Amino acid sequence: AQSVTQLGSHVSVSEGALVLLRCNYSSSVPPYLFWYVQYPNQGLQLLLKYTSAATLVKGINGFEAEFKKSETSFHLTKPSAHMSDAAEYFCAVSFSGGYNKLIFGAGTRLAVHP
Amino acid sequence: EAGVTQFPSHSVIEKGQTVTLRCDPISGHDNLYWYRRVMGKEIKFLLHFVKESKQDESGMPNNRFLAERTGGTYSTLKVQPAELEDSGVYFCASSQVVQRVIDTQYFGPGTRLTVL
Repeated sequence: AQSVTQLGSHVSVSEGALVLLRCNYSSSVPPYLFWYVQYPNQGLQLLLKYTSAATLVKGINGFEAEFKKSETSFHLTKPSAHMSDAAEYFCAVSFSGGYNKLIFGAGTRLAVHP
Repeated sequence: EAGVTQFPSHSVIEKGQTVTLRCDPISGHDNLYWYRRVMGKEIKFLLHFVKESKQDESGMPNNRFLAERTGGTYSTLKVQPAELEDSGVYFCASSQVVQRVIDTQYFGPGTRLTVL
């Protein structure tokens, strides 16, 4: 069965510091991987997605993620955190034949302090 | 272009009552999904419509939940009778192309349901 694990329900960084949000997946078939962000009182917004093309995926707002098959990981990074990055981040997986159903991790809430 | 909209944004009801949630997808999107997040846990899939047909309803928790999509446009999710464990945030999402796994799902802001 497919599943997603996000390590750390809460992550706190200083403004300007590296952001690293961890995501590991379990899938018996080639996965498609996504990162979504939810700002307060808003819906989920797609940050980036991996669709079996380049393993390093660049998304919006300076975020990127690298698909590592050997580690079954898809960690999200941003070189320099901004106060506006404070939000909840969700890693999700879908797979061919799954009719687009997304399987989510539990989410990581990112706090950015001055 | 308008995004996915959901109504109401919040609903507070008593156990045993009925609640109906509505989702309006992005115009032209054939795929419509319902998800639920309970008590800070992971967001879980409920069901998937392709136009007016249910493609996958494997995530529906029980027969107290009824989803419809009239004419392949908006969708409703009815909970009858509501139980305490139904509390959570219900998200709707839509996507444009049928059977292309990489299509982006666009999410609405969610409906926060509280059952007392």
